[in-house]
Amino acid sequence: KAGVTQTPRYLIKTRGQQVTLSCSPISGHRSVSWYQQTPGQGLQFLFEYFSETQRNKGNFPGRFSGRQFSNSRSEMNVSTLELGDSALYLCASSLVSGGGTDTQYFGPGTRLTVL
Amino acid sequence: AQKITQTQPGMFVQEKEAVTLDCTYDTSDPSYGLFWYKQPSSGEMIFLIYQGSYDQQNATEGRYSLNFQKARKSANLVISASQLGDSAMYFCAMREGRGGNTDKLIFGTGTRLQVFP
Repeated sequence: KAGVTQTPRYLIKTRGQQVTLSCSPISGHRSVSWYQQTPGQGLQFLFEYFSETQRNKGNFPGRFSGRQFSNSRSEMNVSTLELGDSALYLCASSLVSGGGTDTQYFGPGTRLTVL
Repeated sequence: AQKITQTQPGMFVQEKEAVTLDCTYDTSDPSYGLFWYKQPSSGEMIFLIYQGSYDQQNATEGRYSLNFQKARKSANLVISASQLGDSAMYFCAMREGRGGNTDKLIFGTGTRLQVFP
């Protein structure tokens, strides 16, 4: 079974631009979560989606948004990019079986550089 | 507030030896899950092991075991018979609740493990 895929893997943008990152979950997984990883702040939760609905959101400004499609694929968008948005963006998916052992499986990440 | 603490920024271990990576957590929710992930230099987070707050036995997955001490709120990862390929960052993470309601993970700051021959 294919793992979580993220595109693109690398991205270079300039301040003020916007960017869209894509995530395809493991087949059958219904939940997708996004995380930002920076050397200074570590791994921080952005938001999570289940059945096309955002069910949890981290403490990030409104420039960060996301959505989930009916096939569970997800996109996140960052508008008006700032230098501090340079980070590794990780997507994770889980089955959501209702049990306590649901595990998130991560994709390879998208490394965003803002110049 | 929920929090994960990893006090070892870096650890060294000789090949074939065992190593313990420390993790303590803080939560007021009686139901939670604890996870360990490995992150090689490539960046991908690789799931290693899971421990539920109601699990009576310590979790094991191959060479990985989790030393779960609920009263002390610690969930240390033990890697037995270290291999050179184990060199990576290791993150401890916690999810409050039994899952199904949220997948949100809170991560620690990580421990960089280096295995030498």
